[in-house]
Parts: sequence; structure tokens; C-alpha cells
Amino acid sequence: RKEVEQDPGPFNVPEGATVAFNCTYSNSASQSFFWYRQDCRKEPKLLMSVYSSGNEDGRFTAQLNRASQYISLLIRDSKLSDSATYLCAGGNQGGKLIFGQGTELSVKP
Amino acid sequence: GAGVSQSPRYKVAKRGQDVALRCDPISGHVSLFWYQQALGQGPEFLTYFQNEAQLDKSGLPSDRFFAERPEGSVSTLKIQRTQQEDSAVYLCASSSPSGSSYNEQFFGPGTRLTVL
Repeated sequence: RKEVEQDPGPFNVPEGATVAFNCTYSNSASQSFFWYRQDCRKEPKLLMSVYSSGNEDGRFTAQLNRASQYISLLIRDSKLSDSATYLCAGGNQGGKLIFGQGTELSVKP
Repeated sequence: GAGVSQSPRYKVAKRGQDVALRCDPISGHVSLFWYQQALGQGPEFLTYFQNEAQLDKSGLPSDRFFAERPEGSVSTLKIQRTQQEDSAVYLCASSSPSGSSYNEQFFGPGTRLTVL
């Protein structure tokens, strides 16, 4: 079993839809969690750090559930420009990150 | 300010050649990471430096892979006697422990290595 797992998708949604991704992790010692966005043939770009209390940035909301060992990303009012691969990652503070496989999102007009 | 830069952006090598990939982290960033990303997969950790000290090299797949950061800024990832399975995108990331308890990592554009 991989240390960080994501549903690879693809998730095909219409513009304006709300879409949610989950990511599970197996290392209970992980302290820091992140969501990255990766466009085709580009580098991962940090989307959000995931805080224990949950955090929101515009249309994006991230949650951490330590008891069930998963993190989630909610995207409201999807835009065409949200089409990308979303990578979740976890790690120890200051150390290496373990990434999931990535979830592909395609937002259609 | 400038982000993480990597060179070359693309590298084609014949099997058996040695290659050297360069990473310039964000100025002032103490920590530097190398990852390998295969098509359709997430990045996989290779090695990590804090300043010039290599603190973790557990992800290096074989002794053909070697990384250094002699002055605590620029880093080079060297692959000796390249094999076809080394074909991947090599990503460099940097982070700074100051000012952020979460140590977000910021990635460079990567070097796409193709071994023929």
C-alpha cells in the first residue's frame, strides 16, 4: 500500500460545479500536509497548506482529519482554468514530502 | 523575487552517459530537495540538503545517483552510466525554515531527462 493515496480520476465536471478530492495517508507521524496543483508538463505549484483546523482560500477549502488519516480539497464554482492534476503531499516538518499519484480534474464548459 | 531555477530544461542522453543536473534554489532558502517524477505519477523523493549537509539520501535509487551542494546554495544531481529507466522529470524544490512552521516547498520547472 502506498503511503499517500489518491483517486487518479479523471474527474470530469461542468463549469460551476463543486468537486471534492480526498487523499489518505498511512504514516500517522506525518505533521505537514499540502495540496499542489500541476499543469501538464509543468512543475507542481503550491495551492494550499492544510492546517489542523481547516483552511479556506477563496473557492478552495482544505481539511485535515487526523483520526481517519485523510485530507480533502473542496473546489467551489469550478472554472475552466481549474483543470489540472491535484497532488496531495504529507511529511515531517522541514523534511521530505511524500506525494500521492495525483487526481486529474477536467472542467468542461 | 526569482523562483527555483533548473538547467538544463531538457536533456537527451545515450545509455551509459553521465549527466549533471543543476538547481538554483530561491535565494536564502536553507533546505533543498530533489524529486523524480515519472509520467502519470507524483514526485518521488530522492535526497535532501540543509545548507551544505545532505541529511537524507534514502530515495536515491542506486549508487549511480549522487547529489551535492558544496556551498549551501546551488546543487547538482549527477547520474552516472544512465539507464533507460532513469528517464523522468527531475524536480528540485527549496524551502526555508524561517517564517513558516509548515516549511512549504517551492518547485523549479524540472529537467526532463530522456535516456535512449
